[in-house]
Amino acid sequence: DGGITQSPKYLFRKEGQNVTLSCEQNLNHDAMYWYRQDPGQGLRLIYYSQIVNDFQKGDIAEGYSVSREKKESFPLTVTSAQKNPTAFYLCASSDRDMTISPLHFGNGTRLTVT
Amino acid sequence: AQSVSQHNHHVILSEAASLELGCNYSYGGTVNLFWYVQYPGQHLQLLLKYFSGDPLVKGIKGFEAEFIKSKFSFNLRKPSVQWSDTAEYFCAVNALYSSASKIIFGSGTRLSIRP
Repeated sequence: DGGITQSPKYLFRKEGQNVTLSCEQNLNHDAMYWYRQDPGQGLRLIYYSQIVNDFQKGDIAEGYSVSREKKESFPLTVTSAQKNPTAFYLCASSDRDMTISPLHFGNGTRLTVT
Repeated sequence: AQSVSQHNHHVILSEAASLELGCNYSYGGTVNLFWYVQYPGQHLQLLLKYFSGDPLVKGIKGFEAEFIKSKFSFNLRKPSVQWSDTAEYFCAVNALYSSASKIIFGSGTRLSIRP
């Protein structure tokens, strides 16, 4: 079955360390997205990529970085510059044309930084 | 900048009551509109979508939404809710720019249904 795999489900890190969250999709979607979900704030867009080797900042990109070297993969690095990194991170993908295939979500990674 | 507002943060209803959740967006151009649902412990799922045509769209599980362009609104409705509708509901907007598009979500509405 096609889908989006995020790993790991839970991640714990010490403050000051960079951490990379994995996101892989086998839906053959061109576009991929990273969102952060915090209680009462909904989903906020961190980065998105419409095509391989290209990505754009979302609304809260500071302290994060991404790469898109392969169509199937869109890893997110939470750097030590991110002031409040503890959150639930969701990866999604879609066709570039939403009318063909809207957003599909992974199951998320809960990151805790202490 | 593009934004989405969901004014109801937490709605509590009894079973069989009617539901309407508000969603307003700020973008004057062409948009695609979505409602997603997140049941407890599950991932986000698409409830319904509007791209064009009939502004009244029907989704899964008896939900529907109406796009009113003049009000920049896309409210979600269900005539009679069930306990299993307890979930968090997110409205989302995809504004269609010339070279790229992104999807912006509202802050969500938590729906609690009393059995």
